[in-house]
Amino acid sequence: AQTVTQSQPEMSVQEAETVTLSCTYDTSESDYYLFWYKQPPSRQMILVIRQEAYKQQNATENRFSVNFQKAAKSFSLKISDSQLGDAAMYFCAYRRITGGGAQKLVFGQGTRLTINP
Amino acid sequence: ETGVTQTPRHLVMGMTNKKSLKCEQHLGHNAMYWYKQSAKKPLELMFVYNFKEQTENNSVPSRFSPECPNSSHLFLHLHTLQPEDSALYLCASGGGTHQFFGPGTRLTVL
Repeated sequence: AQTVTQSQPEMSVQEAETVTLSCTYDTSESDYYLFWYKQPPSRQMILVIRQEAYKQQNATENRFSVNFQKAAKSFSLKISDSQLGDAAMYFCAYRRITGGGAQKLVFGQGTRLTINP
Repeated sequence: ETGVTQTPRHLVMGMTNKKSLKCEQHLGHNAMYWYKQSAKKPLELMFVYNFKEQTENNSVPSRFSPECPNSSHLFLHLHTLQPEDSALYLCASGGGTHQFFGPGTRLTVL
């Protein structure tokens, strides 16, 4: 079974600084998706960024980028120029590609990110 | 706003009550999911529906009863719950690579 581990329950960063959230996962699959989801205090979970395992290039979405190390099974999220609105719980998640149909997400425990003004 | 709505947003119920949670999506997705989010625990997948058929029940107690009348609506019927069932219940829908989540229902069981 696949597992996702986020070893940092809480992180904090000064506004405008850069922060990196860690995520490791375990799978025997060679192709899969990895995601970072953000859950602000309002509680609606939204997708931040997605990475397909077959792509060597790291995904980037504006101030958010990932460092995907497939061999090490590591998938960290870097947030540049942190803003107060980035404060939230961040969840790393894994999803198989094969199999068709509804595919479930496997989530990590989450990292609570605080932005200090 | 993700396109997935849930009602009610907050619910307080006694252990002998019967209540239902509702989830609605008009994103054209075929798959819908119920998750339980408790404090200090990873999100727990409860049920998966694909094209209105239940494809996964993650060993959920029978006091939780899901219903999916069509691809746009998903219900979670609750009866004789326990205080440890208090949590945030999230609904999600998915039709491609990732899932879209609703805002959740904060459930408190007294």
